[in-house]
Amino acid sequence: KQEVTQIPAALSVPEGENLVLNCSFTDSAIYNLQWFRQDPGKGLTSLLLIQSSQREQTSGRLNASLDKSSGRSTLYIAASQPGDSATYLCALVHNNDMRFGAGTRLTVKP
Amino acid sequence: EPEVTQTPSHQVTQMGQEVILRCVPISNHLYFYWYRQILGQKVEFLVSFYNNEISEKSEIFDDQFSVERPDGSNFTLKIRSTKLEDSAMYFCASGVKGDSYNEQFFGPGTRLTVL
Repeated sequence: KQEVTQIPAALSVPEGENLVLNCSFTDSAIYNLQWFRQDPGKGLTSLLLIQSSQREQTSGRLNASLDKSSGRSTLYIAASQPGDSATYLCALVHNNDMRFGAGTRLTVKP
Repeated sequence: EPEVTQTPSHQVTQMGQEVILRCVPISNHLYFYWYRQILGQKVEFLVSFYNNEISEKSEIFDDQFSVERPDGSNFTLKIRSTKLEDSAMYFCASGVKGDSYNEQFFGPGTRLTVL
């Protein structure tokens, strides 16, 4: 059974700082990995999707990497802004389901 | 840009009542999913649906749950007899899938409160 772990559980940084969120997983037989953003009480916004055969994806200030051999993914956020404050979820996609980590709650202070 | 929609946004019900949560997936998608998130906990997979049948379900998806695509556009989750512990945010997703690719798009969720 796929276990997804995200470290740290919470992170507080000053505005402008670069940061890395970590995701580890136990089963590398995945279709793809997605990073989502969730604002309090809201739905899931897809940020980046990395297919199983890919190593990384970039969108604006976000860069996600995937290392299946070590069971790890990272989400790099450059030049963080207060609007980046949210919970970031990592999810591993298998054939018919998706397994989520518990998330990292990010606070970017002005 | 097409998006998944869900109704209602918030449903309050009494314990033991039946509820139906509704979703309109993105029109050309063939794969449909329900997830739930109990307050403060992880998003959990409930069920996936393809070609008018369940393709996979989790241990959470017991006999009190059912899914249906009644008219080719809506995708519903029915909870037959709600319990207090069914209170959660329920997310619908629809998606596309290839040989090594499975992308899911999520709706905004329905917050279910069971009293």
